[in-house]
Amino acid sequence: GQNIDQPTEMTATEGAIVQINCTYQTSGFNGLFWYQQHAGEAPTFLSYNVLDGLEEKGRFSSFLSRSKGYSYLLLKELQMKDSASYLCAVSQAGTALIFGKGTTLSVSS
Amino acid sequence: NAGVMQNPRHLVRRRGQEARLRCSPMKGHSHVYWYRQLPEEGLKFMVYLQKENIIDESGMPKERFSAEFPKEGPSILRIQQVVRGDSAAYFCASSPRESAEAFFGQGTRLTVV
Repeated sequence: GQNIDQPTEMTATEGAIVQINCTYQTSGFNGLFWYQQHAGEAPTFLSYNVLDGLEEKGRFSSFLSRSKGYSYLLLKELQMKDSASYLCAVSQAGTALIFGKGTTLSVSS
Repeated sequence: NAGVMQNPRHLVRRRGQEARLRCSPMKGHSHVYWYRQLPEEGLKFMVYLQKENIIDESGMPKERFSAEFPKEGPSILRIQQVVRGDSAAYFCASSPRESAEAFFGQGTRLTVV
């Protein structure tokens, strides 16, 4: 089975940096994904890590440590439009992505 | 290249009726996944299909729920004899291969009255 944990809620202010953590326990690990989901909309892909280290893509970066079963999503220069749910998902061989319950981020001015 | 298309976007059914949710994957994608999402909750995996085959249905209730992905046409998630607890958003996603990035449709919001 799998166990994926991430904080339920986080708050931050415009222009700040926020780090959303995700820990997982799984077998047959094939990679870790981060998705963004605005209320009432479909999840959209943000990042993918399969090797240890940091992947940077504009204001968003994602980090993975396979030995620790740990990832984080880093959002810089926060904007109001970044208010959304951020979903951590683990890929295993032979099955679909398994998602954590998501972290709801609220950005205030 | 159209994205993942789901229809209908909204579906209202009375208790005991059948609900059919359709999903057309992105062009070139042969892997389809169905998820259910309740308000304020994450995406719960239901079933993973490849053309004409069910790869993993471990997340799908044993009764009343079924899924198919025929050689021609969209994938169908079928819920028989719906109950109020089936009310949720059902998302379909597709990918070109296993473990690749999954692209999501806009979802079908099922309401059982």
